[in-house]
Amino acid sequence: SSELTQDPSVSVALGQTVRITCPGDSLSGYYASWYQQKPGQAPELVMYGENNRPSGIPDRFSGSSSGNTASLTITGAQAEDEADYYCNWRDSSGTYMIFGGGTKLTVL
Amino acid sequence: QLQESGPGLVKPSETLSLTCAVSGGSFSSSRYYWAWIRQPPGKGLEWIGSIGSGGTAYKPSLKSRVTISADKSKNQFSLKLSSVTAADTAVYYCGREEGVNEHRIDYWGQGTLVTVSS
Repeated sequence: SSELTQDPSVSVALGQTVRITCPGDSLSGYYASWYQQKPGQAPELVMYGENNRPSGIPDRFSGSSSGNTASLTITGAQAEDEADYYCNWRDSSGTYMIFGGGTKLTVL
Repeated sequence: QLQESGPGLVKPSETLSLTCAVSGGSFSSSRYYWAWIRQPPGKGLEWIGSIGSGGTAYKPSLKSRVTISADKSKNQFSLKLSSVTAADTAVYYCGREEGVNEHRIDYWGQGTLVTVSS
């Protein structure tokens, strides 16, 4: 199975919409999860499954998947959304997990 | 809550040993797996492995050097990584995994920096 390649950096204007993608192997039946990490902090789960937000995560975060690509969309990005975002996916054999390389989101 | 503990400095070729203490009552549940993840300075996250009711799973490239074990009586699980090199220098996180098709790591420890150096 392959590592998950994310765009290293993405920028978005304040209040605009941004999509962060995570292409992976063919993983029918599995969904990606997404983590936000701010400098000096542990990662935080922001999205999992088809489109599930943990308690406390703003509804401007949404998730989707199509074919081999999972996406995290932030609709109306805020300054506090500036962070690194990592996707995580079960490998095609279902036996272990893989993280994407991470996307640094800059909010302009 | 999850809390990592262990030496912050390990010599090359030795074994790195960390423990994650789990509080909150979920450690005994078969619903969850318990994972180790690491992050080299300035780099991305790397899943190392996890343990649960079905056994253990490890990242293939680390499998020969990794052992994850659990002590239910102490509500903790541990990581051993043998034959370490400078490339194993990282912040090590423990986490709680849930779900199969909708897998996620929903709780994380704060992380502990382990430096491999003589």
